[in-house]
Amino acid sequence: ILNVEQSPQSLHVQEGDSTNFTCSFPSSNFYALHWYRWETAKSPEALFVMTLNGDEKKKGRISATLNTKEGYSYLYIKGSQPEDSATYLCAFKGFGNEKLTFGTGTRLTIIP
Amino acid sequence: KAGVTQTPRYLIKTRGQQVTLSCSPISGHRSVSWYQQTPGQGLQFLFEYFSETQRNKGNFPGRFSGRQFSNSRSEMNVSTLELGDSALYLCASSPLSGANVLTFGAGSRLTVL
Repeated sequence: ILNVEQSPQSLHVQEGDSTNFTCSFPSSNFYALHWYRWETAKSPEALFVMTLNGDEKKKGRISATLNTKEGYSYLYIKGSQPEDSATYLCAFKGFGNEKLTFGTGTRLTIIP
Repeated sequence: KAGVTQTPRYLIKTRGQQVTLSCSPISGHRSVSWYQQTPGQGLQFLFEYFSETQRNKGNFPGRFSGRQFSNSRSEMNVSTLELGDSALYLCASSPLSGANVLTFGAGSRLTVL
């Protein structure tokens, strides 16, 4: 059974502060790592798909890094805004005909 | 362009009944995946269909089944419902199988009484 873990489970951040959280995944048989943002009452929305060790992706104030050798990815949010409040999910896919395995998410709440 | 459409959005069933949920993917997307989300759990993978073939299946009992039609629309069926089947069922589509990004529907929330 694949273990994809996210930490912390939840955090509260003051508006304007920057924050980051972690996704840990198996370091062997890596194929891709996805990040999704899931706002309350909406559908999960893709942020990044990362496939190469050392990959860095950026979308506005949100960025992500990937280390496949040690099995982790960081998601960073710079200058948090209330609209960043959401659950952030990562998902791991291994080589071969493997399913996408999701972590349980980090629930981020921005305090105005 | 239209997103991923799931129907029905909400439904209430009783134990022992069966339910069918429908998912229409984005036009041109050939892969459809289904996930179950329950409180405290991450998204649990149910199955993936690509070009009418089941490519992968999660660790769910045989009461959970699915299919995909030639127009890429997909249905999932749960027979002999149990209380523990109460969950949000999400469908996601992508152009191909593999590392492609998923586009999710709004989900079908099933309550089993």
